[in-house]
Amino acid sequence: EDQVTQSPEALRLQEGESSSLNCSYTVSGLRGLFWYRQDPGKGPEFLFTLYSAGEEKEKERLKATLTKKESFLHITAPKPEDSATYLCAVPGSYNTDKLIFGTGTRLQVFP
Amino acid sequence: EAQVTQNPRYLITVTGKKLTVTCSQNMNHEYMSWYRQDPGLGLRQIYYSMNVEVTDKGDVPEGYKVSRKEKRNFPLILESPSPNQTSLYFCASSLSRDRDNEQFFGPGTRLTVL
Repeated sequence: EDQVTQSPEALRLQEGESSSLNCSYTVSGLRGLFWYRQDPGKGPEFLFTLYSAGEEKEKERLKATLTKKESFLHITAPKPEDSATYLCAVPGSYNTDKLIFGTGTRLQVFP
Repeated sequence: EAQVTQNPRYLITVTGKKLTVTCSQNMNHEYMSWYRQDPGLGLRQIYYSMNVEVTDKGDVPEGYKVSRKEKRNFPLILESPSPNQTSLYFCASSLSRDRDNEQFFGPGTRLTVL
């Protein structure tokens, strides 16, 4: 069964304290892995798409990496404005028109 | 401005009273989708549409209907809402059925069914 698992569920960081969020997946023939950011009361906002193992993408303090079984979202020297829920998603194995989301990691960065 | 709009943003209704949540996008996107988001369960896909008059079920379609008569609009219909459909709903669109394309999400509709 296709599954996306994110950990930890919640993460509290001090401003400047770097860390990583994990997204592990079980799908056959991965056709992209998406990272989204969601602020409270708003719709998810696209961050990155990764297509193959070894690929990396960066945006400001965020860097996403991909292996054959998981993806990491590394946050370097976070600021309070990075506080949000981070979601990852993959297309389904047998129906790639469907998108399967993880339950997200809620990140709080304190000054 | 490129965007996905949903209406209403907030709705409180009673069991059994039919309702429609509208979704519209101005980006000429082919692919549109509806999700519900519940605490601990994350985003789950309800229905999606790959183009006009083409729709298919997602993971949790029971109790919902959709239609895609025009490319820009993708309304979500609850014929007889029940309390377990109380949730936060998001509409999303992307350029094509190719899943490599990022999805743009609407602002959400918070529905309460009493």
